[in-house]
Amino acid sequence: DSGVTQTPKHLITATGQRVTLRCSPRSGDLSVYWYQQSLDQGLQFLIQYYNGEERAKGNILERFSAQQFPDLHSELNLSSLELGDSALYFCASSGGQGRYGYTFGSGTRLTVV
Amino acid sequence: QQPVQSPQAVILREGEDAVINCSSSKALYSVHWYRQKHGEAPVFLMILLKGGEQKGHEKISASFNEKKQQSSLYLTASQLSYSGTYFCGTGEDSGGSNYKLTFGKGTLLTVNP
Repeated sequence: DSGVTQTPKHLITATGQRVTLRCSPRSGDLSVYWYQQSLDQGLQFLIQYYNGEERAKGNILERFSAQQFPDLHSELNLSSLELGDSALYFCASSGGQGRYGYTFGSGTRLTVV
Repeated sequence: QQPVQSPQAVILREGEDAVINCSSSKALYSVHWYRQKHGEAPVFLMILLKGGEQKGHEKISASFNEKKQQSSLYLTASQLSYSGTYFCGTGEDSGGSNYKLTFGKGTLLTVNP
């Protein structure tokens, strides 16, 4: 157990639907990062939150949004899902100061059918 | 800008050495190295910071050439447990709360008996 909890582990949904992925960071970590991993693209950065505020944005689609709550857990919302959104979605946390490694959760495998 | 890793794949026999390279076109503040086994989350190996020292972890060590914007991961006397995909992640700013890593596409390392 890495200390970063992601739920659900697996999600199968239809095109056009909306899903929410949840992440609880490791105790004490203020930064949460979301990454999408597909076979041909590797780990693609989506978005970062630090202590409740959005701090960095990557190639996140407009159909995707995220937030970090006061208790520091984070949710990634994916809407109007397309077949191409099928991927592993990882959440990671860190101390947020750039000097610490990331701790990844076990990921959510999203399959859009 | 995604860092470039080489080689894309390498096959070793137990006990052999390997070097994985990571190169960026941008000035770097830090380089992270992670290992991901199939179906699992990436696991943090080590971080190298601008101006810092070469790091080592048992038989796995790494270097960071700031001027060339390159890092190398050295695996010596490889063990079966070293098999997996190795990712480098590069950070461009000096840390603080706005910090994200951009990952390379990974190097698949296979260690055979």
